[in-house]
Formats: sequence, structure tokens, C-alpha cells
Amino acid sequence: KAGVTQTPRYLIKTRGQQVTLSCSPISGHRSVSWYQQTPGQGLQFLFEYFSETQRNKGNFPGRFSGRQFSNSRSEMNVSTLELGDSALYLCASSISALAGPGANVLTFGAGSRLTVL
Amino acid sequence: GQNIDQPTEMTATEGAIVQINCTYQTSGFNGLFWYQQHAGEAPTFLSYNVLDGLEEKGRFSSFLSRSKGYSYLLLKELQMKDSASYLCAVKPGYSGGYNKLIFGAGTRLAVHP
Repeated sequence: KAGVTQTPRYLIKTRGQQVTLSCSPISGHRSVSWYQQTPGQGLQFLFEYFSETQRNKGNFPGRFSGRQFSNSRSEMNVSTLELGDSALYLCASSISALAGPGANVLTFGAGSRLTVL
Repeated sequence: GQNIDQPTEMTATEGAIVQINCTYQTSGFNGLFWYQQHAGEAPTFLSYNVLDGLEEKGRFSSFLSRSKGYSYLLLKELQMKDSASYLCAVKPGYSGGYNKLIFGAGTRLAVHP
């Protein structure tokens, strides 16, 4: 079956612009999470969506936003880009969203690499 | 705060055994994951521990001690293709639950012939 698909894979923007990244989860997966990956910082949680509702949000400024559509596809948007937003943005999908213990395995996409000049 | 520590880099020889350690301090604990990430690729799931002890899966094993806030990933019979970054991640307590994972910065493993 198809994996998690992220588009675009690479993009270059300038400071002040905005960007929209797209994620198509594995068919049947209803939970989509977004992470930012930078060298030395590792993966940092941005937000999580389940059934079109944001279930959880990381410690990022309001310039970072997202949404999920009825077909579980998700988009994230970053407005007023800053140099520090240069990173690999990873999307991960999961069948469900368990609140407690459970091996709710995340399947990651290959990411969208954003460079801000 | 929430903190996960793992070594930045490790090197090992093909055919050998390597142990990658991970220590964590998080608000609650609902399990620990290990992911493998080759350069330029997506992280892929390796293992999950929620109870103390060792979980074995082929050449890879993962150990957890909740009282010590400690885990390790053991890779046996190393192959060149095992050269990758290994990410330790904790699913925190309910307040940050669902699918939010706290990741360490990753350990870059280089396997030499």
C-alpha cells in the first residue's frame, strides 16, 4: 500500500513569505501529526489532528498552523517565514490516536525540506 | 521539563555489536519508541517498550527500565546498511498524550568495514 506522501519535497522561500505543506496519510489512517526536524534539535512536535480536530499542539508560535480535511489529508501553514524556520517538516500518520499506553506506531513521510533565505 | 538524552555519534565495525543508550525525563510515561532514519529518508519504526525488560526482534533488541528512565537499543551482527541515525522517543503522560512523541536529538551510527 502507498506510504505517507508529502508535497512538495523541497522548497525555497524568502523571509516574510508564507508556505503551505501537504500530507496524504496512509489509506485508512485517521491521525496525522507534524514534526519539525533540525540538526542538533531532533524532531519537535508541531501538532496532531484526528477526525479533522486538532488534538494536541506543540510549543511553536501562532505563525504555525494546520488543518485536516474529511479525507484525513492534512496541510500545515507557516506565515511570515523567518530564517529559523528552515528545517525538514515531517508528517506522520497512524490508524488511531490512543491517549494512554499503546504502540500506536507512527509512519512517517519523507518530509518537505524548507529553506528560508 | 521534558528531556531525552542519547549520544550524538557512535562508530562500530561490521559484524560487531553496538548498544545505543537513551535516558529520559518526561511528564508521565506511556512507552518508548526507537526509530531508524537513513540520511534523506523518513524515520522508520524499530521497536516499542512500555514494560520493563528486553524486547527482541531479529538483529535488534530494545531494553527498558522505567525506574531508571533508561533504555537501550542493541544492534547485533552489524551490517553496512545499519549506518543511520537512531531516534529515541517517549510518549509522555496523558497531558501530552495521543500521538505526541518527545524525541531525542538522535544518534548517528557509522558502521565501518
